[in-house]
Amino acid sequence: DGGITQSPKYLFRKEGQNVTLSCEQNLNHDAMYWYRQDPGQGLRLIYYSQIVNDFQKGDIAEGYSVSREKKESFPLTVTSAQKNPTAFYLCASRDNQPLNYGYTFGSGTRLTVV
Amino acid sequence: DAKTTQPPSMDCAEGRAANLPCNHSTISGNEYVYWYRQIHSQGPQYIIHGLKNNETNEMASLIITEDRKSSTLILPHATLRDTAVYYCIVRVAIGGSNYKLTFGKGTLLTVNP
Repeated sequence: DGGITQSPKYLFRKEGQNVTLSCEQNLNHDAMYWYRQDPGQGLRLIYYSQIVNDFQKGDIAEGYSVSREKKESFPLTVTSAQKNPTAFYLCASRDNQPLNYGYTFGSGTRLTVV
Repeated sequence: DAKTTQPPSMDCAEGRAANLPCNHSTISGNEYVYWYRQIHSQGPQYIIHGLKNNETNEMASLIITEDRKSSTLILPHATLRDTAVYYCIVRVAIGGSNYKLTFGKGTLLTVNP
């Protein structure tokens, strides 16, 4: 079955360490997105990529980095510069055609800084 | 970005219709309204979207007012599994064929037995 796979489901990080969250999709979607969700809050856009080798900052990109070397993969690195990284991270993808279809989301990675 | 306003919570009896309102008074003429839902600790699930006509699919119906300043998501026969946070979102263009979805806090719908 096609879908988006995020791994790991739970991740613990020590303060000062970088950590990379994986997002892989086999939907042949062009666009991919990373969101952050804090308890009781909505989703905030971190980064997005419309095509391979191209990505743009979202609303809260500081302290994060991404790459898009393959169409299927859009990993997110949470750097030590991110002041409050503990959150639920969601990856999504969308087919550029037809334009009106919504996003498909992964099941998320819960990151905890210890 | 066009802002949406939703009640923070609603209750519904199992088997009854759930009507979830959303205000989007600053929506532009070419901006779509999307609805998603999120069950605790899972990724959001797409429900339905529309521009100005009412829409229906196997999950729900979307009623958009003629002035497009508000909409209502209708779950015709709510079940316990429909308990979730429901997000009403206005799709915002960010250049070319690109757009983004901005999720607010949504409405927590609780379906009671």
